[in-house]
Amino acid sequence: AQSVTQLGSHVSVSEGALVLLRCNYSSSVPPYLFWYVQYPNQGLQLLLKYTTGATLVKGINGFEAEFKKSETSFHLTKPSAHMSDAAEYFCAVRENTGTASKLTFGTGTRLQVTL
Amino acid sequence: KAGVTQTPRYLIKTRGQQVTLSCSPISGHRSVSWYQQTPGQGLQFLFEYFSETQRNKGNFPGRFSGRQFSNSRSEMNVSTLELGDSALYLCASSIAYVGSGLRPNPLHFGNGTRLTVT
Repeated sequence: AQSVTQLGSHVSVSEGALVLLRCNYSSSVPPYLFWYVQYPNQGLQLLLKYTTGATLVKGINGFEAEFKKSETSFHLTKPSAHMSDAAEYFCAVRENTGTASKLTFGTGTRLQVTL
Repeated sequence: KAGVTQTPRYLIKTRGQQVTLSCSPISGHRSVSWYQQTPGQGLQFLFEYFSETQRNKGNFPGRFSGRQFSNSRSEMNVSTLELGDSALYLCASSIAYVGSGLRPNPLHFGNGTRLTVT
């Protein structure tokens, strides 16, 4: 069975500081990995995805993530935080089996950005 | 291109009632999935439909059901509502191909329907 662990339910950074949101996954087969962001009263918006190929993935709004198979990790980073980055972030895994689209989500990390 | 549309945005129901939520996927998307989001349980998969057929189901009681129409629009129904059913219900659509292997197409989410059961 696949699972995702997000370390830290709340992360606070200063504007301009590095953002690092941690995600570790467990999957019996090569996974597809995703990061989504959720702003208040909205649905989930895709930030980036890892499928195959390059392990460093760039997404929208300056975010990127690196797939490390040896560490079963897919941490999300952004060099310089902006106030508009304050939101909840979800890491998700999808197993590479069949054609179903089921995602298993982590519990989320709420990012606070302070002045 | 219009995004995923969910109606209604907000709903208040009483215990024991039933409710139907609607989802219109992005044009051309044939797969529709439903998720329940609560503070305690987080995001949990309910079910997925493709070409009017349910092809995956999460661990929810039979009170939760869904269907998909020929135009890919989907509805989910919850009968005999319980207080614990209060949640944000999210619908997501994706392009999904059958028979040619897995396509890791991302899910595109709507803004959800917030259901409150009193």
